[in-house]
Amino acid sequence: GAGVSQSPSNKVTEKGKDVELRCDPISGHTALYWYRQSLGQGLEFLIYFQGNSAPDKSGLPSDRFSAERTGGSVSTLTIQRTQQEDSAVYLCASSSSGGAGANVLTFGAGSRLTVL
Amino acid sequence: AQSVTQLGSHVSVSEGALVLLRCNYSSSVPPYLFWYVQYPNQGLQLLLKYTSAATLVKGINGFEAEFKKSETSFHLTKPSAHMSDAAEYFCAVSGNTGFQKLVFGTGTRLLVSP
Repeated sequence: GAGVSQSPSNKVTEKGKDVELRCDPISGHTALYWYRQSLGQGLEFLIYFQGNSAPDKSGLPSDRFSAERTGGSVSTLTIQRTQQEDSAVYLCASSSSGGAGANVLTFGAGSRLTVL
Repeated sequence: AQSVTQLGSHVSVSEGALVLLRCNYSSSVPPYLFWYVQYPNQGLQLLLKYTSAATLVKGINGFEAEFKKSETSFHLTKPSAHMSDAAEYFCAVSGNTGFQKLVFGTGTRLLVSP
């Protein structure tokens, strides 16, 4: 697609429920990233997929968080048993392989999660 | 491992004044450095990047940044602020080989007064 697409744009859920956030990266981009943006906290790295390599999960804050990327394209971030501190904007980004495009991230508009 | 420190969560300038947003990095390998900008109610977009070709990097909207290895800095400047520059600015660092995750700073909100 023309840009990075994320859905839903807004999600309100009750504490303890599971949520799924979806990211559709730019076609042909082999790298996909998830970040979390909380007020006053900047961008917190969550997870990073690159091609067929094992994902870098070092930023996932707890085992309630997981992510997968199917077919090297669409990614889903799942948060189980949501807590109020999970409320944030979840940003997805993708980048192309090598050359001038490497590590230049194109961000989606984000999914704003509110846990009541 | 890489990290960045942005000094000042808020910077206020008058329209027409010099803009200086500070970023210091730490990296165990030669870094790539980036500045991203987030305008109100918009997504993040790349402002400029340093990938070792030149130490002075020019970006969009009149911004530039200089890589200073001796000071481990990558400060963002603009000679004359415009009201439309009001936004949040994020410095980021990655390693310079292959694919590496981008590590962002906590951001600096630029406020521009008339």
